[in-house]
Amino acid sequence: AIQMTQSPSSLSASVGDRVTITCRASQGIRNDLGWYQQKPGKAPKLLIYAASSLQSGVPSRFSGSGSGTDFTLTISSLQPEDFATYYCLQDYNYPQTFGQGTKVEIK
Amino acid sequence: EVQLVESGGGLVQPGGSLRLSCAASGFTFSSYWMSWVRQAPGKGLEWVANIKQDGSEKYYVDSVKGRFTISRDNAKNSLYLQMNSLRAEDTAVYYCARRAMVLRSSIYYYMDVWGKGTTVTVSS
Repeated sequence: AIQMTQSPSSLSASVGDRVTITCRASQGIRNDLGWYQQKPGKAPKLLIYAASSLQSGVPSRFSGSGSGTDFTLTISSLQPEDFATYYCLQDYNYPQTFGQGTKVEIK
Repeated sequence: EVQLVESGGGLVQPGGSLRLSCAASGFTFSSYWMSWVRQAPGKGLEWVANIKQDGSEKYYVDSVKGRFTISRDNAKNSLYLQMNSLRAEDTAVYYCARRAMVLRSSIYYYMDVWGKGTTVTVSS
């Protein structure tokens, strides 16, 4: 199975900060990668698909990049509603695998 | 409104069975792959299973192969997960999700609609 390794596991940031989360695949996955946001007690929400395509309705401060094994989710200016846990998910082959998550907390 | 609503969760003893359901509305259910994803208490997300539009292809994470069966009834706009031989480690919130597709240079899939989840607790 392809392992997805996210870093950092957690981070503290302030409103307005630029935040970058990375996801590394144990083998190449083209750009078959999505990013999901999850708030406590809620279902995950799709932010980015195909590594860099912004899901409809998602604010433009979210962006994704990368291909092959290394991927990045960037929040250009962190907003109060962005404090959550973020997961990457590879859809290149089975079994689909998530990263372990990155918890973004308020500094 | 596009919506997925899970049901069927509950408390079950180890070795027992449970059948989860997911009712879809607001979209053409038969046009989409569907997925189950779970999350153990305090843990991350884990993909469980996918099923093709007509049910002809099914895929599972290794830890549930031979114990769980994903199925669908397109006439009823419903997705199911039959869970047998349940173990304590199957305790989780189970989400159903719509697996959308986009054609670019290749086909890309993503889970764009999620239900709120149903809780399964396996304990004696």
